Amino acid sequence: QAQLVQSGAEVKKPGASVKVSCKASGYMFTTYAITWVRQAPGHGLEWMARISGYNGNANYAQKFQDRVTLTIDTSTTTAYMELRSLRSDDTAVYYCARAQGSGWFDPWGQGTLVTVSS
Amino acid sequence: DIQLTQSPSSLSASVGDRITITCRASQDIRNSLAWYQQKPGKAPNLLLYAASRLESGVPSRFSGSGSGTDYTLTISSLQPEDFATYYCQQYFNPPPYTFGQGTRLEIK
Repeated sequence: QAQLVQSGAEVKKPGASVKVSCKASGYMFTTYAITWVRQAPGHGLEWMARISGYNGNANYAQKFQDRVTLTIDTSTTTAYMELRSLRSDDTAVYYCARAQGSGWFDPWGQGTLVTVSS
Repeated sequence: DIQLTQSPSSLSASVGDRITITCRASQDIRNSLAWYQQKPGKAPNLLLYAASRLESGVPSRFSGSGSGTDYTLTISSLQPEDFATYYCQQYFNPPPYTFGQGTRLEIK
């Protein structure tokens, strides 16, 4: 059964960077892409970026193009999302999810709360 | 980018009611639509994809329909565990992917 397990909560100061991990198991990692979605407190879901589990090619939402980098490590079946130059409005729960078929997302990781505060 | 507009943004209903949530896209998305349920403090859970295909393990009281720009999620007989927030998501010619703003379903 496919499962994604994310790293734990982080507290960062404005201007810092954060790197969230997403460990995949129960399926062939290189066959699917991993996508990242965030949710600010009390708000909806916002797509950030996705990365191929096969060749590491990534696509980014225009809003995050300059501040986000996605990477994968196929040897450990882990995907990573790094967000730089953090601001207070980056405070959110960050989710990874497996991209199925043409692009629906299942399953999802449990989420990682990133708090940006001075 | 394709925009998705869900309606209503919130809805009060009772156990046993039949409810419908609408998702309207800014252009034809050729049935490239998924629906998710999210409960407080939890990750979203896939309910349907390709507008009307029920994900394995999802109760049959959930159904989806639509075409072109207009899509609906119907719950035929609300159960207590169905009170949650629901999101639609389009995946027509990504990136980007986009989500609707969500519909909060509350107990009346």
